Amino acid sequence: IAGITQAPTSQILAAGRRMTLRCTQDMRHNAMYWYRQDLGLGLRLIHYSNTAGTTGKGEVPDGYSVSRANTDDFPLTLASAVPSQTSVYFCASTVGNPYPTEAFFGQGTRLTVV
Amino acid sequence: DAKTTQPNSMESNEEEPVHLPCNHSTISGTDYIHWYRQLPSQGPEYVIHGLTSNVNNRMASLAIAEDRKSSTLILHRATLRDAAVYYCPPQVQGAQKLVFGQGTRLTINP
Repeated sequence: IAGITQAPTSQILAAGRRMTLRCTQDMRHNAMYWYRQDLGLGLRLIHYSNTAGTTGKGEVPDGYSVSRANTDDFPLTLASAVPSQTSVYFCASTVGNPYPTEAFFGQGTRLTVV
Repeated sequence: DAKTTQPNSMESNEEEPVHLPCNHSTISGTDYIHWYRQLPSQGPEYVIHGLTSNVNNRMASLAIAEDRKSSTLILHRATLRDAAVYYCPPQVQGAQKLVFGQGTRLTINP
């Protein structure tokens, strides 16, 4: 059982470069999310998607974009990375409609922007 | 948006019960109460959720106040593996998303 797969596991990125973090789920969940977690802090929601073809902004969407072309994939793109985007990024999906009852998380992508 | 309040940290001893509180005073009548935990260097994992009644599963128990303005996650016999950050994210009304706050960092002493 794969669940949520994130790639890459870690990445060092030069400032100004474009980067796409990949997230794939095999559970056919409708809703998917991207969070960032800075050292010692909680998770902050970047973007979410309630179903394929729709996306929404979370708490900290600036500098990030997402797309949801199909149910399984939810990539997160940094168009021009900045050092403040150094963080651990978690992708998640949820069971339950209309209210999420259980969220499944990936293992995270550790991104360092230098 | 709905918000929750949790203590920043708590400490307990191995094999003793642990009661983790969460205040969710802005919760609406149909919002579920969720608890997650995050072990070191891992993504968060689901623990339990409920609406109005107390809930039990293999990991923990959830006690929900009658007015639903607060809840308590109960670990009946803490082990060293229960050391983690525990979150009670409020469900944003009308949307399928969970907004996590800072959580409670639980330390378990041997």
